[in-house]
Amino acid sequence: LAKTTQPISMDSYEGQEVNITCSHNNIATNDYITWYQQFPSQGPRFIIQGYKTKVTNEVASLFIPADRKSSTLSLPRVSLSDTAVYYCLVGEGFKTIFGAGTRLFVKA
Amino acid sequence: DAGVTQSPTHLIKTRGQQVTLRCSPKSGHDTVSWYQQALGQGPQFIFQYYEEEERQRGNFPDRFSGHQFPNYSSELNVNALLLGDSALYLCASSLGPGTGFTDTQYFGPGTRLTVL
Repeated sequence: LAKTTQPISMDSYEGQEVNITCSHNNIATNDYITWYQQFPSQGPRFIIQGYKTKVTNEVASLFIPADRKSSTLSLPRVSLSDTAVYYCLVGEGFKTIFGAGTRLFVKA
Repeated sequence: DAGVTQSPTHLIKTRGQQVTLRCSPKSGHDTVSWYQQALGQGPQFIFQYYEEEERQRGNFPDRFSGHQFPNYSSELNVNALLLGDSALYLCASSLGPGTGFTDTQYFGPGTRLTVL
């Protein structure tokens, strides 16, 4: 099973760009990379998904190098409301495996 | 368009009791997965239902069981509750059981279960 490794926590200030990197050395050929955001006492919320190169939507960008063994979630100009836990996942067929995630704390 | 809904929001039970949690998937979704999230940890996969059958199961004992109805809603049942079952129980819905290609899931707000 593919396994992901992320930093346990990160701090940032409002207005800065935040990059969270995830390692997934054993990613399978067919696996996509998905990022979720979770606020306390709420369910995770889908942020972005990609397979290779770069994907951008209205809230984030996802950078995936050619070997796909890592990925970087980029959050432009974070605000206090971006304080949350961010999970990186790779496809596991029927099962979606969450790691411990990265706790991002945005300061004023 | 209603998202994933779960009931109840909170629940308090005592050891040895049984509990049933309910989930209605996002409109158009036919697959429901259940997760347990202990405080400070990531969600742990319990099982997934598709076409009214349990398709995959995580590392949870048989005390955890479920059901999916023809309208795609689902129930999670936990028997003989233990103190360690206290957690946030999350339901997620998706279109199709997933192949690893696009396993995008939509999560509900969860049910907070406290076992005393």
